[in-house]
Amino acid sequence: KNQVEQSPQSLIILEGKNCTLQCNYTVSPFSNLRWYKQDTGRGPVSLTIMTFSENTKSNGRYTATLDADTKQSSLHITASQLSDSASYICVVSARSGNTPLVFGKGTRLSVIA
Amino acid sequence: GAVVSQHPSWVICKSGTSVKIECRSLDFQATTMFWYRQFPKQSLMLMATSNEGSKATYEQGVEKDKFLINHASLTLSTLTVTSAHPEDSSFYICSARDGTGPYQPQHFGDGTRLSIL
Repeated sequence: KNQVEQSPQSLIILEGKNCTLQCNYTVSPFSNLRWYKQDTGRGPVSLTIMTFSENTKSNGRYTATLDADTKQSSLHITASQLSDSASYICVVSARSGNTPLVFGKGTRLSVIA
Repeated sequence: GAVVSQHPSWVICKSGTSVKIECRSLDFQATTMFWYRQFPKQSLMLMATSNEGSKATYEQGVEKDKFLINHASLTLSTLTVTSAHPEDSSFYICSARDGTGPYQPQHFGDGTRLSIL
């Protein structure tokens, strides 16, 4: 069964600190993995998208990694800001036509002053 | 960048009312649009996949007569919640795929908060 598991479920960090969010998946055959940021009451916004051959991709203070062998990904946030408080969702796409995206439940990040 | 506009952003209505939610791709054509439902602290759950000019494909457990989807053009899809009841209260989010194939970006609207009294 195609699944995406994220950890931790929630996280509280101080402003300025770094953090890393984890994502494990069992989606097969794998096509790509995406990280989205979802602010409360808003739709998800894409941060990164990586294919099988990509190991790392950065978007400003966000750096995503992918290990397709172990089926793991991480999202590292550097020098966190209060505006980083949101849910971060790992989404995996299978390599077959219009197969729906498989969503993780997200990690709820709270950055406090 | 690509933008998906969803309207309205918030609806409060009485039980038994039908509610229509619009989803528009503003600067690209979307052959395929998706409708999701999200409960508090839960992930997005796909309700249906909508292809322009054809009938929507509903996920298991989603009533097609309850949630009517129309995708009449490459830039507009609508979701109508018919005879809404309190249990239909949720956050509904649409998304549109920019291009074809699984690698193409999928852009999300800002969601519609539906509250049925």
